Amino acid sequence: QKEVEQDPGPLSVPEGAIVSLNCTYSNSAFQYFMWYRQYSRKGPELLMYTYSSGNKEDGRFTAQVDKSSKYISLFIRDSQPSDSATYLCAMRELVSGGGADGLTFGKGTHLIIQP
Amino acid sequence: KAGVTQTPRYLIKTRGQQVTLSCSPISGHRSVSWYQQTPGQGLQFLFEYFSETQRNKGNFPGRFSGRQFSNSRSEMNVSTLELGDSALYLCASSFLAGNTGELFFGEGSRLTVL
Repeated sequence: QKEVEQDPGPLSVPEGAIVSLNCTYSNSAFQYFMWYRQYSRKGPELLMYTYSSGNKEDGRFTAQVDKSSKYISLFIRDSQPSDSATYLCAMRELVSGGGADGLTFGKGTHLIIQP
Repeated sequence: KAGVTQTPRYLIKTRGQQVTLSCSPISGHRSVSWYQQTPGQGLQFLFEYFSETQRNKGNFPGRFSGRQFSNSRSEMNVSTLELGDSALYLCASSFLAGNTGELFFGEGSRLTVL
């Protein structure tokens, strides 16, 4: 079983729709959660960063973390064609002493917003 | 403010050769991490450097190595290249190392091994 599971898609929705992207994880030591957006032939771009259960909102984006269910989500409101990209969830453990492993990524969901 | 710069952007090598990739972090960032991205495995952590010291290393063979210089610039090296090393190699920088660092990625170096 992989540590982080993410549906690869593609997920195709019409412009203006609400998009829901999800990841599940098995490692309860993950404490920091991120969402990255990656356009074709570009590096990942950080969208949202959170370390607590609950919701965090930034413009049209809302990140939701449920640590008890080991489930995180990213919601995109009023989706635009420019949101078409691959969305990657990423997680990091909390390690005492300040050290940490690198990020563990999901494989990404390819999102297509149809005009 | 300039972003993370990686060179070269594209390169082609043959099996058995070695390759060196370079990364210049965002000004003021002292932590540099390297990731390998392939269609099959996705993004996988290679190693992280902070203040010229390797802090962590992912599950890759010893053919993969790296270093960081006093100006925070970093290089990674892959020796004895194999076909499976073909990938996009991404460098990321952050102000802080470890737990709370938010990573900012470069556009990557795309390596093709023939």
